Amino acid sequence: AQSVTQPDIHITVSEGASLELRCNYSYGATPYLFWYVQSPGQGLQLLLKYFSGDTLVQGIKGFEAEFKRSQSSFNLRKPSVHWSDAAEYFCAVRVNSGNTPLVFGKGTRLSVIA
Amino acid sequence: SAVISQKPSRDICQRGTSLTIQCQVDSQVTMMFWYRQQPGQSLTLIATANQGSEATYESGFVIDKFPISRPNLTFSTLTVSNMSPEDSSIYLCSVSRDSGNTIYFGEGSWLTVV
Repeated sequence: AQSVTQPDIHITVSEGASLELRCNYSYGATPYLFWYVQSPGQGLQLLLKYFSGDTLVQGIKGFEAEFKRSQSSFNLRKPSVHWSDAAEYFCAVRVNSGNTPLVFGKGTRLSVIA
Repeated sequence: SAVISQKPSRDICQRGTSLTIQCQVDSQVTMMFWYRQQPGQSLTLIATANQGSEATYESGFVIDKFPISRPNLTFSTLTVSNMSPEDSSIYLCSVSRDSGNTIYFGEGSWLTVV
């Protein structure tokens, strides 16, 4: 069964600094890969997704993620963090066929300081 | 994009009671997925609901506690039975479309058991 690891439970960055959130997956083939954000008291919002093709994926709110097959990773990046980016970030995977559910990582909580 | 409506959006429930959550989708979908997000935790899949058949439950979740109905291709319900404070969670409905390429989440039903 596929699994997702987000090794960082909590990250604190300064406003304006760059950000990288790590995500590693375990699956025999390349799964579909997703990053979601959840602000306090809010629902899930899809930031970006990767299915195939260009390994650098652009998302909303200035986020991007890079798929690295050799490392089974799909790390999320942002060049300059804004205070409004403080939230919980979830990496998720699914098998790339059929109607299968997402499997979520445990999440990384991002705090932004002035 | 698919619109998913969940009801109730929030509720405070007495322990020992049961609550049914409704998920209405604006178009027909084959599979519907129910997730639970306990406070400060990630999303965990409860079950997959396929129209016309029994729901498939994940390890740790049983039908007696979380009965699911799927009467048609646009609607599903999840009941949380005999609730205890440990059932205080966000319950989310999710569907996939476009051969699984697009996944949608409802806004969630935020339950507090007292």
